[in-house]
Amino acid sequence: DGGITQSPKYLFRKEGQNVTLSCEQNLNHDAMYWYRQDPGQGLRLIYYSQIVNDFQKGDIAEGYSVSREKKESFPLTVTSAQKNPTAFYLCASSSSRGTGLMGQPQHFGDGTRLSIL
Amino acid sequence: QKEVEQDPGPLSVPEGAIVSLNCTYSNSAFQYFMWYRQYSRKGPELLMYTYSSGNKEDGRFTAQVDKSSKYISLFIRDSQPSDSATYLCAMSVTSYDKVIFGPGTSLSVIP
Repeated sequence: DGGITQSPKYLFRKEGQNVTLSCEQNLNHDAMYWYRQDPGQGLRLIYYSQIVNDFQKGDIAEGYSVSREKKESFPLTVTSAQKNPTAFYLCASSSSRGTGLMGQPQHFGDGTRLSIL
Repeated sequence: QKEVEQDPGPLSVPEGAIVSLNCTYSNSAFQYFMWYRQYSRKGPELLMYTYSSGNKEDGRFTAQVDKSSKYISLFIRDSQPSDSATYLCAMSVTSYDKVIFGPGTSLSVIP
């Protein structure tokens, strides 16, 4: 069954610590995205990647980093420079094949909820 | 003014009611309009998307776009308790552009 797997479901970060959120997809999608969801706000784009070994900053990239070494994987690191990391983080993917959509995320994982200790 | 606005709700309706969920937007260049459904503690799922103006129907769901008023709607007929979720509208200028999401409307369908 194809989909996106995010882990862990819950994560706690200590002061000064970097943490990495995992995102794996088996949909063979080219594009992958990281969004942050805060109460009362729309999803905000952190980073996206259209192809392996290439990624672009979104609207709120400061304090975050990503890598895209494999098509299936797009991990997000929340660094200590991100002063307000408490949020629900969502990974998504998309494919233009058969949909006419390319930039629009079509499949989402079930998220990682990050909190500060 | 935010680019995309939605009434956050919560909206509570009895089972079987027709539900109308709405978004307004400020950027007249938007051409792609999406609706996502998000259950509690889950990721969103893409329900429907439309291009430009007009209606699109899929089962009990109808998406409507009125570009002259910068207003989009999602109608749910014969609402079910399983429709209880947060509904996010989203839009973009082209199929390759960044998507702008609304904050979502929380819907509760009471049996």
